[in-house]
Amino acid sequence: DAKTTQPTSMDCAEGRAANLPCNHSTISGNEYVYWYRQIHSQGPQYIIHGLKNNETNEMASLIITEDRKSSTLILPHATLRDTAVYYCIVRPSGGYQKVTFGIGTKLQVIP
Amino acid sequence: NAGVMQNPRHLVRRRGQEARLRCSPMKGHSHVYWYRQLPEEGLKFMVYLQKENIIDESGMPKERFSAEFPKEGPSILRIQQVVRGDSAAYFCASSPPGQGVGSYEQYFGPGTRLTVT
Repeated sequence: DAKTTQPTSMDCAEGRAANLPCNHSTISGNEYVYWYRQIHSQGPQYIIHGLKNNETNEMASLIITEDRKSSTLILPHATLRDTAVYYCIVRPSGGYQKVTFGIGTKLQVIP
Repeated sequence: NAGVMQNPRHLVRRRGQEARLRCSPMKGHSHVYWYRQLPEEGLKFMVYLQKENIIDESGMPKERFSAEFPKEGPSILRIQQVVRGDSAAYFCASSPPGQGVGSYEQYFGPGTRLTVT
């Protein structure tokens, strides 16, 4: 079962930053935080992951709190194409990936 | 480099028929995962395979469902005697071999939407 808690839905104005929170209070030391998104009717798409440092790539930024119990995915300039369900997942390093997806956050970008 | 390919994209079966879903992983990937997504729900892990081996099938229903990943060819998810409750989107993902310490992502295919009438 998912070990993360996310809001069910969020709205964001087009062009503004979308900040998607995730709580993972039971995360253990060797677990990474991953974010995926699923645009309607498509397969999930990897966005970003991190262990304890903040991370940035061409798609998004990931801010992880110092105690690692929560994180925020930031889409700096949301577009209509960012409308999707966003999943926050924790999983250990190494080994194989038995990814467990929760319900995620349904982000609606509004024109 | 082509992504993960799944076919068919849409499959309609009558109750009692067999459904065969195919997944071709990304080039160089030897790990395949199958997930099922019921309407309005998140993805649920079904099975993890490496070439010719089932590593973890803890998410597979005990009856009617089977999966394989032969030495040659795509991975197959087979559902025998389908029932209406099997109607869902089935996603395949792949990842490369040789992961050690660290992390790596799965790459998902576009899914097969199974409708049982």
